[in-house]
Amino acid sequence: NAGVTQTPKFRVLKTGQSMTLLCAQDMNHEYMYWYRQDPGMGLRLIHYSVGEGTTAKGEVPDGYNVSRLKKQNFLLGLESAAPSQTSVYFCASSYSPSTPNQGRGMNTEAFFGQGTRLTVV
Amino acid sequence: AQRVTQPEKLLSVFKGAPVELKCNYSYSGSPELFWYVQYSRQRLQLLLRHISRESIKGFTADLNKGETSFHLKKPFAQEEDSAMYYCALSGLSNTGKLIFGQGTTLQVKP
Repeated sequence: NAGVTQTPKFRVLKTGQSMTLLCAQDMNHEYMYWYRQDPGMGLRLIHYSVGEGTTAKGEVPDGYNVSRLKKQNFLLGLESAAPSQTSVYFCASSYSPSTPNQGRGMNTEAFFGQGTRLTVV
Repeated sequence: AQRVTQPEKLLSVFKGAPVELKCNYSYSGSPELFWYVQYSRQRLQLLLRHISRESIKGFTADLNKGETSFHLKKPFAQEEDSAMYYCALSGLSNTGKLIFGQGTTLQVKP
């Protein structure tokens, strides 16, 4: 029962390098999210997706791109990494409010991945 | 603006003592409030949500719309409660987006 899986778990990048973080979920969730966690700031939403082929910006989208080509996968890309992107990245997924037999509020529980610790030097 | 504030970065109590982790929010409509917990070396997981009005692991939280608060309480802390706790808010956009507070580390000493 994997749930939400993130790849890789750790990565060190040099400034200017690019990389892609992969998030995969096996719960048939419609919605997926990428958050970053920084000390003293909690988790902040980078981008999110409400369905296959759709993405939208969150609170801190600059410097990141995302793609949702398959329902179960949500990719986060850094085209040119900067030290300010040193953080722990969390992927999450959840049902949509229109999922059958899910009352409003009961379906917005987010399930999180184990996190990716990224250091940009 | 939508905002969640957890005023305490660290809360340290002794085992058996009562615990209250504070959470205040700013939201113009009727939000859904959650508490998420992250135990050491584990992933973030839902602890409880206001709409369910449930008690999980002895924790309760009541939504006070007048004070715009959703404080997390437990009458007798246990060592295994030591973790990072996040209060989060979900609005009415039907996207499931969460706005998190800064987080409070609860340390329960033996």
